[in-house]
Amino acid sequence: KNQVEQSPQSLIILEGKNCTLQCNYTVSPFSNLRWYKQDTGRGPVSLTIMTFSENTKSNGRYTATLDADTKQSSLHITASQLSDSASYICVVSDPTNAGKSTFGDGTTLTVKP
Amino acid sequence: DGGITQSPKYLFRKEGQNVTLSCEQNLNHDAMYWYRQDPGQGLRLIYYSQIVNDFQKGDIAEGYSVSREKKESFPLTVTSAQKNPTAFYLCASAPGASSYNEQFFGPGTRLTVL
Repeated sequence: KNQVEQSPQSLIILEGKNCTLQCNYTVSPFSNLRWYKQDTGRGPVSLTIMTFSENTKSNGRYTATLDADTKQSSLHITASQLSDSASYICVVSDPTNAGKSTFGDGTTLTVKP
Repeated sequence: DGGITQSPKYLFRKEGQNVTLSCEQNLNHDAMYWYRQDPGQGLRLIYYSQIVNDFQKGDIAEGYSVSREKKESFPLTVTSAQKNPTAFYLCASAPGASSYNEQFFGPGTRLTVL
């Protein structure tokens, strides 16, 4: 069964600090991996997407990495801001399952002043 | 939230009632999806549609029904057969069903059964 596991489940950091969120997956074959940001009570918004051949992708202060050999990804947030407080969801897709992706449970990040 | 709207934002239902959640998109996307999100859990796929007048069951379709009569609309009906319907429901659309296409999400509808 395809699975996506995220850690930690929740994280609290001080404003201005960096943090790294982890995503391990067993989805095979592999098509792409996305990181989404979901604010409380809102729909998720895509941050980055990486295919098999990409091992890093940046979007402002967000940098995602991918190791397709070990089936691991990370999302690094630099110089955190209060607005970074949200749930971050890792989503993995396989090319044989048209339109259906496997979602992780998310990591809830709280940035405190 | 892009060009996807969901209504209402909050919905209350009495046990035994059917309710319909609206999802509309103006992105000219072919594929549309319905997900359920429970606290602390990942999104779970209820139904998806790759083209007008066609849809497929997702992982948790029991107690739900959908229709896709128009490209821009994909309403979800939560029937009385759904035993635990209280949840946050998210609609999404994508240019096509390819796994490389980004899904764009609506703002969600929070359904509470009284």
